[in-house]
Amino acid sequence: SAVISQKPSRDICQRGTSLTIQCQVDSQVTMMFWYRQQPGQSLTLIATANQGSEATYESGFVIDKFPISRPNLTFSTLTVSNMSPEDSSIYLCSVYTQAHNEQFFGPGTRLTVL
Amino acid sequence: DAKTTQPPSMDCAEGRAANLPCNHSTISGNEYVYWYRQIHSQGPQYIIHGLKNNETNEMASLIITEDRKSSTLILPHATLRDTAVYYCIVAGGTSYGKLTFGQGTILTVHP
Repeated sequence: SAVISQKPSRDICQRGTSLTIQCQVDSQVTMMFWYRQQPGQSLTLIATANQGSEATYESGFVIDKFPISRPNLTFSTLTVSNMSPEDSSIYLCSVYTQAHNEQFFGPGTRLTVL
Repeated sequence: DAKTTQPPSMDCAEGRAANLPCNHSTISGNEYVYWYRQIHSQGPQYIIHGLKNNETNEMASLIITEDRKSSTLILPHATLRDTAVYYCIVAGGTSYGKLTFGQGTILTVHP
């Protein structure tokens, strides 16, 4: 299985600021994704992080709000921009491994916006 | 919309088998059934997945009906640490990695 780490594990931020979340995988993976879990809700896919090209966003999510980078096959970042209290959520990195058709999630970043 | 239907909650006695059902009547031929669980808002933990054959690993067994319209996740000897939200998800084809999470089943294992 892939081991995924995220930084920071949690943060408390002021509205109007931005936070960049890092995701590191212990092996090269083809597909990386970012999910959001709002309080009391299930997970929602934000975007697919594409290596070497722009991320692919799901309906309701835009690049200006959630810019994503993926410089190589083991690392990605998600930025939550111009934050508001509604952005308070857990943000999770996920990777899909084609070899075993399995998908794994990181521990998540718990974000609170005041 | 989620493609699966699960009971909102279930109870199980410690040491007994926990059988979690899932309906996925609209599953297509190239879609897999995945099971995850989430404990205390940690990242979802992968449990098992299957296409059409029954599967077993160190954590659980997955029983898929012959018509593939439903499945059951079996935790053979539930412990208190198995208390979690269990998600049944169908995915595959062009949607690898794009998992649609429903509300899942809250499994409570009691002493």
